[in-house]
Amino acid sequence: SQTIHQWPATLVQPVGSPLSLECTVEGTSNPNLYWYRQAAGRGLQLLFYSVGIGQISSEVPQNLSASRPQDRQFILSSKKLLLSDSGFYLCAWTKQGTGSQPQHFGDGTRLSIL
Amino acid sequence: QKEVEQDPGPLSVPEGAIVSLNCTYSNSAFQYFMWYRQYSRKGPELLMYTYSSGNKEDGRFTAQVDKSSKYISLFIRDSQPSDSATYLCATGAGGSNYKLTFGKGTLLTVNP
Repeated sequence: SQTIHQWPATLVQPVGSPLSLECTVEGTSNPNLYWYRQAAGRGLQLLFYSVGIGQISSEVPQNLSASRPQDRQFILSSKKLLLSDSGFYLCAWTKQGTGSQPQHFGDGTRLSIL
Repeated sequence: QKEVEQDPGPLSVPEGAIVSLNCTYSNSAFQYFMWYRQYSRKGPELLMYTYSSGNKEDGRFTAQVDKSSKYISLFIRDSQPSDSATYLCATGAGGSNYKLTFGKGTLLTVNP
């Protein structure tokens, strides 16, 4: 069966510090991968998605970036965090295929910026 | 108009009640419909996945899609305190579109 791992579960960072959140998927190959941010009352905001190694699509201009160095690894980064980067970050994957496949989520990283 | 509208609630019901959760959408290209359950401080978990109009049942859960009115529903029978969570609907158009459009979620509390 497929599993998705995200870490860390909780992170507290000072303003201006760098960020690296990691997500890995097991039990499947060549998945589509997604990064979301979820804020209270605002729903899920798609930040980035990737359909293959090195292929990143950005949905929202911001000071975050994403990379996919390996088939089942997706990384969310920032060089300098802002207060507005606080939130709940979720990674998700889908199978490649026709139609809109359901996305499967990790348990997220709660990021607090001080 | 937002592409997917979902009443945020909160919705509070007694244990054993039938719960009805609903979303409306505006894009007639949407053909794939999903319901997710999200417990506090956890990621969304897929509950139901349906294609086009009709009903799909899985245990106490029934998903219903009416494409003519662009209305999707999730019914929970014999609700339990463990059903207390936020429920999100999601839709997709298929094809080469890799993205889903999510509702903002409805917070449900089932009281024992």
